[in-house]
Amino acid sequence: KDQVFQPSTVASSEGAVVEIFCNHSVSNAYNFFWYLHFPGCAPRLLVKGSKPSQQGRYNMTYERFSSSLLILQVREADAAVYYCAVECGSARQLTFGSGTQLTVLP
Amino acid sequence: NAGVTQTPKFQVLKTGQSMTLQCAQDMNHEYMSWYRQDPGMGLRLIHYSVGAGITDQGEVPNGYNVSRSTTEDFPLRLLSAAPSQTSVYFCASSPQGTDEQYFGPGTRLTVT
Repeated sequence: KDQVFQPSTVASSEGAVVEIFCNHSVSNAYNFFWYLHFPGCAPRLLVKGSKPSQQGRYNMTYERFSSSLLILQVREADAAVYYCAVECGSARQLTFGSGTQLTVLP
Repeated sequence: NAGVTQTPKFQVLKTGQSMTLQCAQDMNHEYMSWYRQDPGMGLRLIHYSVGAGITDQGEVPNGYNVSRSTTEDFPLRLLSAAPSQTSVYFCASSPQGTDEQYFGPGTRLTVT
């Protein structure tokens, strides 16, 4: 079964760089996607691709079976759930990890 | 554009009842999908559609039906609700499966 793995929790101090790691066992994977989800709101795409990329404070690393999301100068407002997803299959649907709850300490 | 809209926002059902979760998008996206979100399980794909008249099963399709008669709408039907279907349901759309998926705000369903 295709699976995507990420840690359930990550904690960081405010102002630091926080890294959330993701790896997968999907054989025919294409892109990685990183989503941000605040409870009660719609998940929102932060960054995606099949190569290292950056969108504002969000950097994405890329290897064939793994990716990391790096959040620069993390703030208390960044405390949320971050989902890693891998695009796969003939219809290029997304397989999501279980999500990482980020805690930011003042 | 309103984006992706979902109704209702909250719903409580008794076991065995049926209902339809509504999803609509006004971005003329071909690809639409339904996910359920459960603690520790992330977002799991229930059903998806690559265009009007075409639907397919995702990872957890049992107990759910979908149809796609128009590009805009992609309703999710629960024929006989079970407590195991208590979850938060998200609908999403994208121009193609490879593009950014735009999510709706979710429907929180409780089955007692």
